[in-house]
Amino acid sequence: AQTVTQSQPEMSVQEAETVTLSCTYDTSESNYYLFWYKQPPSRQMILVIRQEAYKQQNATENRFSVNFQKAAKSFSLKISDSQLGDTAMYFCAFMRTGTASKLTFGTGTRLQVTL
Amino acid sequence: SQTIHQWPATLVQPVGSPLSLECTVEGTSNPNLYWYRQAAGRGLQLLFYSVGIGQISSEVPQNLSASRPQDRQFILSSKKLLLSDSGFYLCAWRLANSYNEQFFGPGTRLTVL
Repeated sequence: AQTVTQSQPEMSVQEAETVTLSCTYDTSESNYYLFWYKQPPSRQMILVIRQEAYKQQNATENRFSVNFQKAAKSFSLKISDSQLGDTAMYFCAFMRTGTASKLTFGTGTRLQVTL
Repeated sequence: SQTIHQWPATLVQPVGSPLSLECTVEGTSNPNLYWYRQAAGRGLQLLFYSVGIGQISSEVPQNLSASRPQDRQFILSSKKLLLSDSGFYLCAWRLANSYNEQFFGPGTRLTVL
C-alpha cells in the first residue's frame, strides 16, 4: 500500500517570502501521479498543482512549483511571493494508475502567511 | 462546466439516528465518485468509491454505507450514527478512464451528539 508523509504539521512565512512544504511517499509503482491540494478555512479542497511521475520536468503553476525527486520519492511544494490568501492546509496526495485511481493523502501542513 | 453539490452543509444528529448525505455532479457523465471523511485536524480518509451506477467499493470497515442510484448521484448513509461518525465529509468526482485530478464538493460538517 502507498503511504504519504508530510513531516511539517505547521509552517509560517511572511508575506512576499518563499516557503517550501515537504512531502515524501512510498510506493512500488513506477507510474503514478502526485498532487498538492489546498484547503483554506472555507474547507473547500482546491487543486494547486499536479505532477506525472513519467515527466522529469517539474510542474509549475504561477507562484507554485514542485521539486519532484522520483528516486528519493520526494515531492515538495514551493510557494513564491507568498500572499495572505495562501494561508491554508496543504495536502500532498498520491494516485496510482488503474481502476478508480484512488487518492492517498498525507496528514497535511498548516501554512500561516503573516504580514 | 462541471459542478459538484453536497447537502446539507451542516448537520447535527443524535447518537443512534439515521444519516443520509447527498452528492450530485453536473456537467459530466459516468464520473468516478468518492466519499472521504476528514476528522478534526487530520487528513482525508477514503470511505467509498464508485465507478458506475450500483457499483460501490468500501475502503474501510465502518458504520456507514454508500449507494449510487443514478449516474451522477452518490449517497452516504447510516442506520444508526455513532459519536465517532462526527467529522467533515467530502464528496469528489473524477473523469472516468483518465488520470485527471479529483474535484471536491464543499463538504458536510456532521456532529453527532
